[in-house]
Amino acid sequence: SQTIHQWPATLVQPVGSPLSLECTVEGTSNPNLYWYRQAAGRGLQLLFYSVGIGQISSEVPQNLSASRPQDRQFILSSKKLLLSDSGFYLCAGYRGQTEAFFGQGTRLTVV
Amino acid sequence: GNSVTQMEGPVTLSEEAFLTINCTYTATGYPSLFWYVQYPGEGLQLLLKATKADDKGSNKGFEATYRKETTSFHLEKGSVQVSDSAVYFCALSDSSIGGPRDFGQGTELSVKP
Repeated sequence: SQTIHQWPATLVQPVGSPLSLECTVEGTSNPNLYWYRQAAGRGLQLLFYSVGIGQISSEVPQNLSASRPQDRQFILSSKKLLLSDSGFYLCAGYRGQTEAFFGQGTRLTVV
Repeated sequence: GNSVTQMEGPVTLSEEAFLTINCTYTATGYPSLFWYVQYPGEGLQLLLKATKADDKGSNKGFEATYRKETTSFHLEKGSVQVSDSAVYFCALSDSSIGGPRDFGQGTELSVKP
């Protein structure tokens, strides 16, 4: 079965520091990969999605970027974190609309 | 833009009680609608889905009907069990991408024996 490994589970970073969150996929190939963020009191919001290597679509203008250097690797980055970047970040993979698999998420606190 | 609103939790029920978790959405076009569930200590997983108006998704005794006229996709179960304790998320996807673009904030369900 498909699995997403996402790390770390929690992260505390100072304002202005860089960020790199990585998720890797096992058990399937060529999935669509997504990064979501959940701010306090709100639902998950789609940030980026990728349908293949090097293909990134951005949903929301922000201080973040994403890359997909390999089929099973999806990275979320920032050059300089803002306080407003705090939240819960979740990596997800989909094949069609029925097969869905999720990482455990990363809780990021920017201080 | 699209959005999903679901009832706030936590919801606490006794075993064998009837469950309804409300979900309403705003969207252009004809989105697909989903319910996801996250059991304690586990990741999200798809519970059920419906892709067009009047479709009924069902799984593990849960049901939800896609109501376009009321823009709703309420989750129901006739008799909940302690093992149904989890957080439930309503979600919406337009046809351009496979996975949901928008999720509700989640509703925590606690079932007591």
